[in-house]
Amino acid sequence: EVQLVESGGGLIQPGGSLRLSCAASGFTVSSDYMNWVRQAPGKGLEWVSVIDIGGSTYYADSVEGRFTISRDSSKNTLYLQINSLRAEDTAVYYCARGWGATGYWGQGTLVTVSS
Amino acid sequence: DIQMTQSPSTLSASVGDRVTITCRASQSISSWLAWYQQKPGKAPKLLIFKASSLDSGVPSRFSGSGSGTEFTLTISSLQPDDFATYYCQQYNSYPWTFGQGTKVEIK
Repeated sequence: EVQLVESGGGLIQPGGSLRLSCAASGFTVSSDYMNWVRQAPGKGLEWVSVIDIGGSTYYADSVEGRFTISRDSSKNTLYLQINSLRAEDTAVYYCARGWGATGYWGQGTLVTVSS
Repeated sequence: DIQMTQSPSTLSASVGDRVTITCRASQSISSWLAWYQQKPGKAPKLLIFKASSLDSGVPSRFSGSGSGTEFTLTISSLQPDDFATYYCQQYNSYPWTFGQGTKVEIK
């Protein structure tokens, strides 16, 4: 059974950094496209980033240069390094498996950026 | 970037109604469109991929159509479990983008 479990969220001050993790089971993270999608409180979904099977990475314009997606096959875990955090980065961050149409999602981890 | 625009933003309907949600892309995305359902506090659930293909386990009352820039999600007979927010997403080109969502409410 495919499972995705995010962790690493919390309360962080503006300008700070955070690393989110997504532990996968039931498949290997390097065998499929892996995404991060976020949702600000009361708002819609925003695609953030993807890492493809070959390791190429792509980002939304709003996070380019501040966020870095990566994976560790030995730990079967996906990561999102978030730097220079802003209030508008406050959101639930979901990891999701798949190219484009993502059929498997984690439960999300909440990141709150506030002083 | 490709902009995705859904209409309406909110839809009030009754159980048994036929419901249609529209999604328009700012440029052609061929058939690279997905539809998701999301309930409060839950992760999105994939309903439709490649514009018209039903994901495994999704009830047949859901259907998708369209290509190019205009797409629709239809629920043939609305059920109590279908009251939720629906999102379209294009994956024709990076950055992938979502529509703003359509909330289906009880009339």
